[in-house]
Amino acid sequence: NAGVMQNPRHLVRRRGQEARLRCSPMKGHSHVYWYRQLPEEGLKFMVYLQKENIIDESGMPKERFSAEFPKEGPSILRIQQVVRGDSAAYFCASSPGIWNEQFFGPGTRLTVL
Amino acid sequence: GENVEQHPSTLSVQEGDSAVIKCTYSDSASNYFPWYKQELGKGPQLIIDIRSNVGEKKDQRIAVTLNKTAKHFSLHITETQPEDSAVYFCAASLNYGGSQGNLIFGKGTKLSVKP
Repeated sequence: NAGVMQNPRHLVRRRGQEARLRCSPMKGHSHVYWYRQLPEEGLKFMVYLQKENIIDESGMPKERFSAEFPKEGPSILRIQQVVRGDSAAYFCASSPGIWNEQFFGPGTRLTVL
Repeated sequence: GENVEQHPSTLSVQEGDSAVIKCTYSDSASNYFPWYKQELGKGPQLIIDIRSNVGEKKDQRIAVTLNKTAKHFSLHITETQPEDSAVYFCAASLNYGGSQGNLIFGKGTKLSVKP
């Protein structure tokens, strides 16, 4: 049973470009959470999605950031017009249910030049 | 909202010794407390968790204790081995009612086990 998959593993963007991060949950999991980790820091919740629905985006910056989890395909975290402060590791976690264990992917390390 | 404090930030032990990492939380309604191990360049790996209806849970060399009154929980690793070296994160979550289950993390403890 494959774990949570994320791609790309590393992404380099110049200021002003767009970044698209993908997350495929574990088989049978329909709940996806995105977290951001700054260097030497813990993980911070960004957004929680179920298939075709954003359930909680209270941790997401109001501008430039968006997320989706379509009926078919991976969940996508999109960052428009990236700035240097967006440089971080972005992790997604999946869960079979709202109150079950969350299993994390390997992360996407975004570097903004 | 919930806030999780984790101590110490770094911990160095000799192989074979025990290691203890402590976390406190602020929201008395939190009822789910997982621990994750993160190795360099990898994602967090769930190693053990505990729910608020239990005071202690063990899995081989790893144990977690929870004191709901004091709002703190601890990770205990016995007979440490060099491969236990990693960053450990505690987290807290509200897992019932109208909550969404998102995890609030501590800032992590870098554990080094010296051979």
